[in-house]
Amino acid sequence: QSALTQPASVSGSPGQSITISCTGTSSDVGAYNYVSWYQQHPGKAPKLMIYDVSNRPSGVSNRFFGSKSGNTASLTISGLQAEDEAEYYCSSHTSTSTLVFGTGTKVTVL
Amino acid sequence: QVQLQESGPGLVKPSQTLSLTCTVSGASISSGGYYWSWIRQHPGKGLESIGFIYYSGSTYYNPSLNSRVTISVDTSKNQFYLKLSSVTAADTAVYYCARVREQYYDMKYFDFWGQGTLVTVSS
Repeated sequence: QSALTQPASVSGSPGQSITISCTGTSSDVGAYNYVSWYQQHPGKAPKLMIYDVSNRPSGVSNRFFGSKSGNTASLTISGLQAEDEAEYYCSSHTSTSTLVFGTGTKVTVL
Repeated sequence: QVQLQESGPGLVKPSQTLSLTCTVSGASISSGGYYWSWIRQHPGKGLESIGFIYYSGSTYYNPSLNSRVTISVDTSKNQFYLKLSSVTAADTAVYYCARVREQYYDMKYFDFWGQGTLVTVSS
């Protein structure tokens, strides 16, 4: 099972919007609406931010927005804040009936 | 609130078997609707799924680890377990357990995670 492809790093200034891409194949991202996103601060466990492509769990800021087009999913963070600086991972259901992670993206707030 | 807690040795010798326990509170493993999983993260690297188990005992393993991994569950203790055999230094990582939401037996997302436990493989 190959990892989904994410950019290694994305940066933005406070208040700006950034978008992180997550590219898979027609056997995972393109085939299912089971894409999720996780935020991980250093030394901490990942935290679910988006599930089922675009749904936010209770308590997650509405500055986080998920979408999907074809084999690529995206996470957009609007109104970037210092606390958003973290590593972000996508995940998708796959045709092998499991979940695969993305390679991870380091978000830096300039 | 659902909580998961990993436990087990923090140091394992090469060629031995790594054994971890995940204790679940605030939810019942046997209630269905969820898979239970192990994930690891090598130092400074990304997340890697190790495997998944349903309360019935059905398992799914990462093909790259399949020959060395065993995940099991004890619903009476509300715990599930990881055994990874023949470990090497390459298995040094933070190991997480997590709950996975499912629908029609399709795995959807990891909704609750343990805090993680660092396992070092060294003589």
